Amino acid sequence: LAKTTQPISMDSYEGQEVNITCSHNNIATNDYITWYQQFPSQGPRFIIQGYKTKVTNEVASLFIPADRKSSTLSLPRVSLSDTAVYYCLVFQAGTALIFGKGTTLSVSS
Amino acid sequence: GAVVSQHPSRVICKSGTSVKIECRSLDFQATTMFWYRQFPKQSLMLMATSNEGSKATYEQGVEKDKFLINHASLTLSTLTVTSAHPEDSSFYICSAPVTESTDTQYFGPGTRLTVL
Repeated sequence: LAKTTQPISMDSYEGQEVNITCSHNNIATNDYITWYQQFPSQGPRFIIQGYKTKVTNEVASLFIPADRKSSTLSLPRVSLSDTAVYYCLVFQAGTALIFGKGTTLSVSS
Repeated sequence: GAVVSQHPSRVICKSGTSVKIECRSLDFQATTMFWYRQFPKQSLMLMATSNEGSKATYEQGVEKDKFLINHASLTLSTLTVTSAHPEDSSFYICSAPVTESTDTQYFGPGTRLTVL
């Protein structure tokens, strides 16, 4: 079973900031938090990964509170091409990723 | 990020035939690779863990004699769907962790299998 819970869907408009929150109440000490993006008929694309506090890269930010029971993926100024399914996962190094249903983000003009 | 390739990208075969799908790590070595299956409008389901030089580990409900996995080198894992049937039609995706970066996993582009 997936260890995370996230909204099934979200809607946004171009240029807005989108925050997707993921709940992982039973996260273990050795677990990392990772996010992937998937377009139809493509393999998931790695977005960002973290263990605690805040991580930022060229496409997104990941906010992790001190208790690590949740995390928030922040996508700045989304565009139509950001319409996709976003998966939040927790995992231990060396183990497989167990996917939940993900969040379908729809960006409109 | 690291690159994982799959071949072929799509394949159509007749019922009863076998199909081989290759997964390659192009710029890193992978002692472990993972195979997933994804049906339309559903999430990825882990099928098996491929281990270089040893037998694969299959998830519950996945028939090891039907989905043969061979991890012959540090950059190549193959999945063979034997005696394929229409219900095996799906999107097959592999992934490999890059151990030098906290095991971030990179996925291949996927293989669309259609069994007629």
